Amino acid sequence: KQEVTQIPAALSVPEGENLVLNCSFTDSAIYNLQWFRQDPGKGLTSLLLIQSSQREQTSGRLNASLDKSSGRSTLYIAASQPGDSATYLCAVLMDSSYKLIFGSGTRLLVRP
Amino acid sequence: DGGITQSPKYLFRKEGQNVTLSCEQNLNHDAMYWYRQDPGQGLRLIYYSQIVNDFQKGDIAEGYSVSREKKESFPLTVTSAQKNPTAFYLCASSIYWTTNYGYTFGSGTRLTVV
Repeated sequence: KQEVTQIPAALSVPEGENLVLNCSFTDSAIYNLQWFRQDPGKGLTSLLLIQSSQREQTSGRLNASLDKSSGRSTLYIAASQPGDSATYLCAVLMDSSYKLIFGSGTRLLVRP
Repeated sequence: DGGITQSPKYLFRKEGQNVTLSCEQNLNHDAMYWYRQDPGQGLRLIYYSQIVNDFQKGDIAEGYSVSREKKESFPLTVTSAQKNPTAFYLCASSIYWTTNYGYTFGSGTRLTVV
């Protein structure tokens, strides 16, 4: 059974710092991995999608990497801003059932 | 703009009552999903539908029911058999036949038992 783990569960950093969020998964037979952002009481916003054949994806200050063989992904946020404060969730897409399996998230606070 | 609309945003249920959460999408996506989120936890799959008039149970389907009569709509009913329904419910959709695109989520419905 696929298990997705995100470390740390919570993170507090000063504004301007570069940071890395970690995601690990136990079954490497995935189609893709997606990073989401969730603001309090809101739905999920897709940030980056990495196909299983890709190593990384970039969007603005965000960079996500994928090492499928070791079951790991990282989300790198450059020059963090208070507006980046949110919960970040990673999810892996398993087999042809198209079910996403989620981690429990990392709650990020960027202090001004 | 294309997207997913969930309504209502807040819903209150009395003990023993069934309630229905609405989910509508205009993205022309084939697949739709319902997830439940509890505080401090990831999302858990309740039901999913890959095509009209077909749906499958997810990991926590007990006490819930769905229908998929139209491609655009995937309502979720929380029945009185669901003993702990207080949670945040999220609907999502995806293009079924390809993995090149991710999931799109709605803004959620917060259900509270009173």
